[in-house]
Amino acid sequence: AAGVIQSPRHLIKEKRETATLKCYPIPRHDTVYWYQQGPGQDPQFLISFYEKMQSDKGSIPDRFSAQQFSDYHSELNMSSLELGDSALYFCASRPDRENSPLHFGNGTRLTVT
Amino acid sequence: EDQVTQSPEALRLQEGESSSLNCSYTVSGLRGLFWYRQDPGKGPEFLFTLYSAGEEKEKERLKATLTKKESFLHITAPKPEDSATYLCAVQASKNYGQNFVFGPGTRLSVLP
Repeated sequence: AAGVIQSPRHLIKEKRETATLKCYPIPRHDTVYWYQQGPGQDPQFLISFYEKMQSDKGSIPDRFSAQQFSDYHSELNMSSLELGDSALYFCASRPDRENSPLHFGNGTRLTVT
Repeated sequence: EDQVTQSPEALRLQEGESSSLNCSYTVSGLRGLFWYRQDPGKGPEFLFTLYSAGEEKEKERLKATLTKKESFLHITAPKPEDSATYLCAVQASKNYGQNFVFGPGTRLSVLP
């Protein structure tokens, strides 16, 4: 079965640089979520989209922005990177059906040096 | 504020030694409770959804149960390949964007 695809798998950036993470949801899933997970921590919700519109916002820094495109893929744009942004970034998708679970990709590991 | 806690933080079992993991939650209107398994460096893998108190779900050596305040993940006769971090998450009624609140997880190690 098709899964959530994230790219790149690994990304190394320097402080103050920018990064773009991409997410391709499972086909027919119209809702996308972005999470940040630091070492040994639980996933922290950043932002979500439903039908290409932002549906909810969590602890996403102002330096980050995201959008969902007409083909439902999503991109997380991160600017003025800081050392503390180093983490695993997960994308998850789900269909807009009551109580349907999130399905996660394998994440992008971002290292800021 | 919706909150999810999990205990224990870490658990070491011998192969075949059954045990239970706990997920306690405080939410204003539970829409669903979800269990995930996460291996190092990978995304959480969906295991179960529970909707209402008294509900039970089973998959191989795992069984999840739900009460009004907590959920348990019972592991019967675990094997080393069951070693992973187990996360629970809740989806509450008041979250318009339907974001999911995760607990901190339980790190399970099963020794051969």
